[in-house]
Amino acid sequence: DAKTTQPPSMDCAEGRAANLPCNHSTISGNEYVYWYRQIHSQGPQYIIHGLKNNETNEMASLIITEDRKSSTLILPHATLRDTAVYYCIVRVYSSASKIIFGSGTRLSIRP
Amino acid sequence: DVKVTQSSRYLVKRTGEKVFLECVQDMDHENMFWYRQDPGLGLRLIYFSYDVKMKEKGDIPEGYSVSREKKERFSLILESASTNQTSMYLCASSLGGTSQETQYFGPGTRLLVL
Repeated sequence: DAKTTQPPSMDCAEGRAANLPCNHSTISGNEYVYWYRQIHSQGPQYIIHGLKNNETNEMASLIITEDRKSSTLILPHATLRDTAVYYCIVRVYSSASKIIFGSGTRLSIRP
Repeated sequence: DVKVTQSSRYLVKRTGEKVFLECVQDMDHENMFWYRQDPGLGLRLIYFSYDVKMKEKGDIPEGYSVSREKKERFSLILESASTNQTSMYLCASSLGGTSQETQYFGPGTRLLVL
């Protein structure tokens, strides 16, 4: 699995969009970008994944650059409940292998 | 919605006790995983299973065993609990086969071994 780089921490005002960046310059053609988050003392929660097209679901949007070397997770209207550590990982779509989380980005939402 | 549940959120056991952690998923997933998560060490895979009665060792299987008698249930067993097994234990499942392998996690069990 390709290595990812994320800022260690970010903050965002409640109600604003939170934009979390991720660099994955060594991503391979068959690797997807996945995002998970982990709220304190809870299990990781799957958010979204994508290959090269932008993706949106009820939780977030994922923007992947054309060269696929970086991506941004967007939480359109952040709430206090979005305070969590966000992990960006890249892995093969069909790989039934272990997930490796990096250190992630600790997102704090301020009232 | 995928639902992965774990039998306990918090557990306190004594050294030497046999400990059972249960995980149940309701989405007919083929693959199930047990991880432990420790500060500074991230997520480490203990065991996984890709079918009923099948299991594969992960990175840190020592001191643990698993059981998968039914597709929806995957149990982690600590044969003789030790203090260094104090940790957060996370179960995950994924669809399997040739389709997508997004892993969905349970809420976690925080185990304290005294």
